[in-house]
Amino acid sequence: EAGVAQSPRYKIIEKRQSVAFWCNPISGHATLYWYQQILGQGPKLLIQFQNNGVVDDSQLPKDRFSAERLKGVDSTLKIQPAKLEDSAVYLCASSLLSGSSYEQYFGPGTRLTVT
Amino acid sequence: GENVEQHPSTLSVQEGDSAVIKCTYSDSASNYFPWYKQELGKGPQLIIDIRSNVGEKKDQRIAVTLNKTAKHFSLHITETQPEDSAVYFCAASRRNSWGKLQFGAGTQVVVTP
Repeated sequence: EAGVAQSPRYKIIEKRQSVAFWCNPISGHATLYWYQQILGQGPKLLIQFQNNGVVDDSQLPKDRFSAERLKGVDSTLKIQPAKLEDSAVYLCASSLLSGSSYEQYFGPGTRLTVT
Repeated sequence: GENVEQHPSTLSVQEGDSAVIKCTYSDSASNYFPWYKQELGKGPQLIIDIRSNVGEKKDQRIAVTLNKTAKHFSLHITETQPEDSAVYFCAASRRNSWGKLQFGAGTQVVVTP
């Protein structure tokens, strides 16, 4: 079974520029998550999708961050414009909609450096 | 909202010894408590989880205990091996929003041969 795919793996941009990250979840997983992991901290949930609908985006800085999952499969997270404090690893995860398993499967992440 | 505190931040153990990581949470409505292991350059991977109707769960060398009254849960790794070296995260979520995990800050575990 293929895991969660993310691209790019690394990105360096200057502040005020824009950037986009792509995620392809495990086939059949209805739920998709985007997390921000700042160095030395645990992952912080930014947004959760159920199929192509948003379940929770309460911690997404909506003035600069946006995310979409148009066909209920892959997803894109965008930052525009980027700030220095956005430097972090952006993790995508997916899970089955199942009461018997709450496991989230994480991709390798995209390391963003904003200079 | 939920707040999860994790201790210690770093843990160095001799191969073969046991390692214990402790977490406390603030939201009494939390009822799902997973532990994730993150190796360098990789995403976190679930190693064990526990739900609030269970006090203890074991899987080979790994065990998790939960004390709902005190709002804390712990990860125990016995007979540690060098491949156990990684960052470990505890997390918590509520019954009606089990996907919304609040993670602790992580524990860097180093197992020395």
